[in-house]
Amino acid sequence: EPEVTQTPSHQVTQMGQEVILRCVPISNHLYFYWYRQILGQKVEFLVSFYNNEISEKSEIFDDQFSVERPDGSNFTLKIRSTKLEDSAMYFCASSEPGRGLYEQYFGPGTRLTVT
Amino acid sequence: KQEVTQIPAALSVPEGENLVLNCSFTDSAIYNLQWFRQDPGKGLTSLLLIQSSQREQTSGRLNASLDKSSGRSTLYIAASQPGDSATYLCAGNNFNKFYFGSGTKLNVKP
Repeated sequence: EPEVTQTPSHQVTQMGQEVILRCVPISNHLYFYWYRQILGQKVEFLVSFYNNEISEKSEIFDDQFSVERPDGSNFTLKIRSTKLEDSAMYFCASSEPGRGLYEQYFGPGTRLTVT
Repeated sequence: KQEVTQIPAALSVPEGENLVLNCSFTDSAIYNLQWFRQDPGKGLTSLLLIQSSQREQTSGRLNASLDKSSGRSTLYIAASQPGDSATYLCAGNNFNKFYFGSGTKLNVKP
């Protein structure tokens, strides 16, 4: 069964460094998403992406964040200058609107630790 | 903004019990509602998706219902097993993004 994959599974970085989290959505999906989950808190929406542009973003998704689909398979989340509070699990998801359901399929997540 | 609440926050039951997890949401203009399972330190596994036009969905021992007018969804787990122990999340979809509840942490004791 097709699945969303994410790399790396765990990333440790120092405060102020740039990180890029990578995702490979399901191949025939058209909408892509990033969510984050701070330890012990709710899963929070960050951004959705369709047709090579951001379709919606939350107030969390400020200028420090950016997303890109650099080729036909990868979808990346970049954090330019990481802060301690960026430490969280980051989930990528994708969906296939053609089915009319907007059911989202989630990847296993990347645990980001900022020290 | 959609707010999703899950009750109870934690639940411990003996193996074999039938149980109900509750989810409520504030905005009835929900497009669909999805239930997920999350194991500790892991990702989200989709369990059931209910479209706004549907009232329930079933998969094996799981049954999820949706009542948009009252802003409620329930996940019914029949004949619970220790392997069902996990955190169960509900998420309401307003077209293009999900709003998640805090989850119900389920422990099924052998």
